[in-house]
Amino acid sequence: KAGVTQTPRYLIKTRGQQVTLSCSPISGHRSVSWYQQTPGQGLQFLFEYFSETQRNKGNFPGRFSGRQFSNSRSEMNVSTLELGDSALYLCASSFSGTVNGEQYFGPGTRLTVT
Amino acid sequence: KNQVEQSPQSLIILEGKNCTLQCNYTVSPFSNLRWYKQDTGRGPVSLTIMTFSENTKSNGRYTATLDADTKQSSLHITASQLSDSASYICVVTGGNDMRFGAGTRLTVKP
Repeated sequence: KAGVTQTPRYLIKTRGQQVTLSCSPISGHRSVSWYQQTPGQGLQFLFEYFSETQRNKGNFPGRFSGRQFSNSRSEMNVSTLELGDSALYLCASSFSGTVNGEQYFGPGTRLTVT
Repeated sequence: KNQVEQSPQSLIILEGKNCTLQCNYTVSPFSNLRWYKQDTGRGPVSLTIMTFSENTKSNGRYTATLDADTKQSSLHITASQLSDSASYICVVTGGNDMRFGAGTRLTVKP
């Protein structure tokens, strides 16, 4: 079974731009969650999508948004990029969801904002 | 305030030795506690997941314990290998709240 894939793996953007990251979950998984990881703040939960609906949301500004498609693939968008958005963005898929289900993480997208 | 604290921040041990990592939490209500291993530049990999009623759970050379009364968990690594060098992250979920520890950076030296 193929694992979780994320594209692109690396990205460099300029302040003020927007960016879209993509995540393809394990086949059959309906839940996709997104996380931000930085050296200073560690791992932080952004949001979870389950069957195309946002089910849970972390404490991030509205510049961070996401969506999930009918095939469970998910995208995360960050608008008006700030230097502090530089981070490793991870997605994880799960059959039953973030709270109680086993999560499988992708390799991440390394975003650098200059 | 819901928090997860891990100790030590970093640890260096010799190959073949055992070690124990600690995780203390104040998350309430409590749903489950997970330990993840994260190699540099890669996504975390689940080691164990424990619910309120579970005291111990093993995954090969990794054994996690949970004391829900004192809100403490530990991850014990037996007969360490060079490949155990990684960050170990404790994650506690309660209700819809998910809290991450800052991780313990383990280095295993030959």
